[in-house]
Amino acid sequence: QVQLQESGPGLLKPSQTLSLTCTVSGGSIRSGGHYWSWVRQLPGKGLEWIGYIFYGGDKYYNPSLKSRLTISVDTSESQFSLSLSAVTAADTAIYYCARLNIYFLIDQWGQGAPVTVSS
Amino acid sequence: QVVLTQSPSASASLGTSVKITCSLSSGHSSDAIAWHQQRPEKGPRYLMKVNSDGSHNRGDGIPDRFSGSSSGAERHLVISTLQSEDEADYFCQTWGTGIGVFGGGTKLTVL
Repeated sequence: QVQLQESGPGLLKPSQTLSLTCTVSGGSIRSGGHYWSWVRQLPGKGLEWIGYIFYGGDKYYNPSLKSRLTISVDTSESQFSLSLSAVTAADTAIYYCARLNIYFLIDQWGQGAPVTVSS
Repeated sequence: QVVLTQSPSASASLGTSVKITCSLSSGHSSDAIAWHQQRPEKGPRYLMKVNSDGSHNRGDGIPDRFSGSSSGAERHLVISTLQSEDEADYFCQTWGTGIGVFGGGTKLTVL
């Protein structure tokens, strides 16, 4: 069964760039029937879609984050990554990587990476 | 853009059944949704996909106590023989215009 695991720093200062990586194991990141996505859960609030990428490089970002966001994929390492620039306290959240199936429904989650932005 | 609406809370007694509902906004009554479980202090876990005809496909390792059904624009998650470990937040997810959409979640209390 495929597993996803996030990694990256948990504490940043305002204006820094958040970089997270998701490692895919137990399955191929080159799966033609899946997309690789990022979702975040803001404190005490619901879930917010960040964006997704296909192994071939096609990607789509949440318009509200698009100006600060880059999602990339490294198929040789079976990883995909998130980069969010100019972070503020409003970006404090638990960041999850997740797999989307062909219906664009999430069918696998990572364990989550807590990120705090504080001066 | 599609909107998913859930009641914020539900409760049921140990050993009984409970139905949790996710309502799709107007014009989206044919959309499929996914149900996810989030236990306290844990990450979400995929439970199943529920189609408009009520058919459902559970994720790997999900017990058959969890089932899905549909009625019009409503998608249901039914949990039978409730156990204490079922106390969690349950939320639905679908796809909007280029973006994932989540319901607000239903907090299930097992009495």
